[in-house]
Amino acid sequence: GNSVTQMEGPVTLSEEAFLTINCTYTATGYPSLFWYVQYPGEGLQLLLKATKADDKGSNKGFEATYRKETTSFHLEKGSVQVSDSAVYFCALSSGGSNYKLTFGKGTLLTVNP
Amino acid sequence: EPEVTQTPSHQVTQMGQEVILRCVPISNHLYFYWYRQILGQKVEFLVSFYNNEISEKSEIFDDQFSVERPDGSNFTLKIRSTKLEDSAMYFCASSETKTGSDTQYFGPGTRLTVL
Repeated sequence: GNSVTQMEGPVTLSEEAFLTINCTYTATGYPSLFWYVQYPGEGLQLLLKATKADDKGSNKGFEATYRKETTSFHLEKGSVQVSDSAVYFCALSSGGSNYKLTFGKGTLLTVNP
Repeated sequence: EPEVTQTPSHQVTQMGQEVILRCVPISNHLYFYWYRQILGQKVEFLVSFYNNEISEKSEIFDDQFSVERPDGSNFTLKIRSTKLEDSAMYFCASSETKTGSDTQYFGPGTRLTVL
């Protein structure tokens, strides 16, 4: 079946540091890949997505590239801000008739000033 | 910007009681979902719903669970006889289409506490 493995947290960084959160997946077919973010007290918001191999999703300075050869979709940001403190979830949807999202466990990011 | 809303934000109930969690999906969306997240664990798919019927359900979604779209705007999840292990955050989501690449938009969640 489908699965997503995310880097264990929590991750604590200083403002302006470089961020990488690793995500690898196992899926049948050709999945679409997503990063969702959950700010304190709020729901899950889509951060970015990529729907085919070598696509790069980007939003708010975050980027992730769909790597089929390594089955990975690592999240990166060059310079984090305090406002980026949140829980980040990697997820996949394997398409076809299976529209459900399969999530990783989430990674808590705390950015200190 | 349109958003998915959920009520209540927190529900406390006694074991064995029935609860109904409510969601208002984005108005032009046709596909609806429930997920749950037990504290410290992954977000897990429960059920998807389209055209007034269940499209897919997980093994978690047993006979104690049901979903309904009672009118043109609400989408509800009912748990008939709650158990302690039903304590979790429940998220509703909706999407415009049913392709795997389409974005599912999530509500803020209902925290269910079963005592």
